[in-house]
Amino acid sequence: DTAVSQTPKYLVTQMGNDKSIKCEQNLGHDTMYWYKQDSKKFLKIMFSYNNKELIINETVPNRFSPKSPDKAHLNLHINSLELGDSAVYFCASSRKGTDTQYFGPGTRLTVL
Amino acid sequence: GNSVTQMEGPVTLSEEAFLTINCTYTATGYPSLFWYVQYPGEGLQLLLKATKADDKGSNKGFEATYRKETTSFHLEKGSVQVSDSAVYFCALSGDSGNTPLVFGKGTRLSVIA
Repeated sequence: DTAVSQTPKYLVTQMGNDKSIKCEQNLGHDTMYWYKQDSKKFLKIMFSYNNKELIINETVPNRFSPKSPDKAHLNLHINSLELGDSAVYFCASSRKGTDTQYFGPGTRLTVL
Repeated sequence: GNSVTQMEGPVTLSEEAFLTINCTYTATGYPSLFWYVQYPGEGLQLLLKATKADDKGSNKGFEATYRKETTSFHLEKGSVQVSDSAVYFCALSGDSGNTPLVFGKGTRLSVIA
């Protein structure tokens, strides 16, 4: 069973388009995260949700809008895609009060 | 703010060589420390962790000891294998749980037969 899953695994799209990436975890965790990994492999937090509520937004452009329909899902919608959005996006989750995070396989987004 | 500095790669070793990847951190409070590994084309996997000073995390032959006096968490393995080729990330989390991880820039390890 996959603990943290993301779809799609690869996403190739044109500049200006709107796209979504989905994340689901079946671990029963309360907190979910989105991280961005740039072309140099540097990983940085974008958002953190706890029980469907946004708790961290790290100066991410408002073209990025996370949505959490329930605590097992955290989706990422991106409007008006730009070349600089090309990256690998990782979803992660953790149990309330703990610090160990479990990561999804990543979504490689390429904006042409 | 919190930060993690790890040695730049790439690191290339022969099979059965000894591995050390240095990691130092700057943090307030008492963070937990982690090593994550990313195999080619895959996501991040937790390799090991330590939650307090002098703790040693270990897994798959890898070890790292939380050294508060030197603010370090160096990763070591006595005998690497080709299958250890990957990118290794040192990371820390805040001391209140459910805080985002702060990552180092990653160190690419290539092990040749």
